[in-house]
Amino acid sequence: QKEVEQDPGPLSVPEGAIVSLNCTYSNSAFQYFMWYRQYSRKGPELLMYTYSSGNKEDGRFTAQVDKSSKYISLFIRDSQPSDSATYLCAPSDTGRRALTFGSGTRLQVQP
Amino acid sequence: GAVVSQHPSRVICKSGTSVKIECRSLDFQATTMFWYRQFPKQSLMLMATSNEGSKATYEQGVEKDKFLINHASLTLSTLTVTSAHPEDSSFYICSARDSQGTDIQYFGAGTRLSVL
Repeated sequence: QKEVEQDPGPLSVPEGAIVSLNCTYSNSAFQYFMWYRQYSRKGPELLMYTYSSGNKEDGRFTAQVDKSSKYISLFIRDSQPSDSATYLCAPSDTGRRALTFGSGTRLQVQP
Repeated sequence: GAVVSQHPSRVICKSGTSVKIECRSLDFQATTMFWYRQFPKQSLMLMATSNEGSKATYEQGVEKDKFLINHASLTLSTLTVTSAHPEDSSFYICSARDSQGTDIQYFGAGTRLSVL
């Protein structure tokens, strides 16, 4: 079993839709949860950073962590064509080690 | 957010030459930097962990003599691909850990290496 599982997509939605991106993980020691966005041929950009369980909201983005089920979600409201990218979840037990990435979900928002 | 500068963004070189890629943390100190490699439509694969003032730690299967890493200061790490061959063509990305703040890792924009 991979340490982090993520549906690779692609996920295609119309502009304005609510998008739900998800990851599952197996390591119960993970307590930091990051979501990165990667545009084609660019490095990953940090979107959301959450510690432990719960929700965190930043503008149109909401990150949700359920440690009991080892399930991580990222919601995007009012999706825009500029949100079209690959979204990578990266849980970690400590920021001091390299990140373990999911495979990334490719999102396409159609205008 | 914090900025990590990676140069060059694109390199095309002949087989057998060496290529150096720089990774700089611009507004924070990074005792640890990481080097990743990414193939098309795949996720990032860790190559090595670079610690300031000490030898890098390489992942299994990564040749340390081929991928030389130097982390001489708190803001700069370099990756040198020695005697590059076409199979080394890939997208190389560095990240830097903010060691004085939240331990969050910030990524450079990546370097696309094409070896002819």
